[in-house]
Amino acid sequence: DAKTTQPPSMDCAEGRAANLPCNHSTISGNEYVYWYRQIHSQGPQYIIHGLKNNETNEMASLIITEDRKSSTLILPHATLRDTAVYYCIVRVEGVGSGTYKYIFGTGTRLKVLA
Amino acid sequence: DSGVTQTPKHLITATGQRVTLRCSPRSGDLSVYWYQQSLDQGLQFLIQYYNGEERAKGNILERFSAQQFPDLHSELNLSSLELGDSALYFCASSAQGISYGYTFGSGTRLTVV
Repeated sequence: DAKTTQPPSMDCAEGRAANLPCNHSTISGNEYVYWYRQIHSQGPQYIIHGLKNNETNEMASLIITEDRKSSTLILPHATLRDTAVYYCIVRVEGVGSGTYKYIFGTGTRLKVLA
Repeated sequence: DSGVTQTPKHLITATGQRVTLRCSPRSGDLSVYWYQQSLDQGLQFLIQYYNGEERAKGNILERFSAQQFPDLHSELNLSSLELGDSALYFCASSAQGISYGYTFGSGTRLTVV
């Protein structure tokens, strides 16, 4: 399975952009990159995903390098409510239809400062 | 409300006992996944079911088992409980296809005393 590497923690000033990096150097051609976040002990929340093109939605932007070995999640205007653990995950398709699994790493603990 | 329902929200039980955690997936989702999160730890993948069949297995102990029923709800059975089994147990569901993300439930907090 492809693995991801993220910095353990980051701080960001409220209102500024938060840029969270992720390395996935062993990613294969059909593996998507997903980002989730977990606030306190709540269930992880889906943020965004991409294969090779940059993606944007109402929550964030995802920038994937051309070689797909790394990506950056951008929260354009971080708020205190964005304080959470952010997980970068590569989803792997297994054998047989509908066989997938996420392997969560330790994530990046983002603290947004007032 | 994410659409994935987990019950109960909290469970306190004694060592050696057996418990069942229940998960109802989001409407239309065929896949169900179970994860364990111990205190201040990451999420450990336990097992996946797709339309009633086991499809992927992670770090699931032999004392643990799961199944998915014809109505697509899933149960995770934990037996011979130990103190170290105290954790948050999350269920997630997804639609078919590699480009679909997971929707997580709010979890069951299990405390073994």
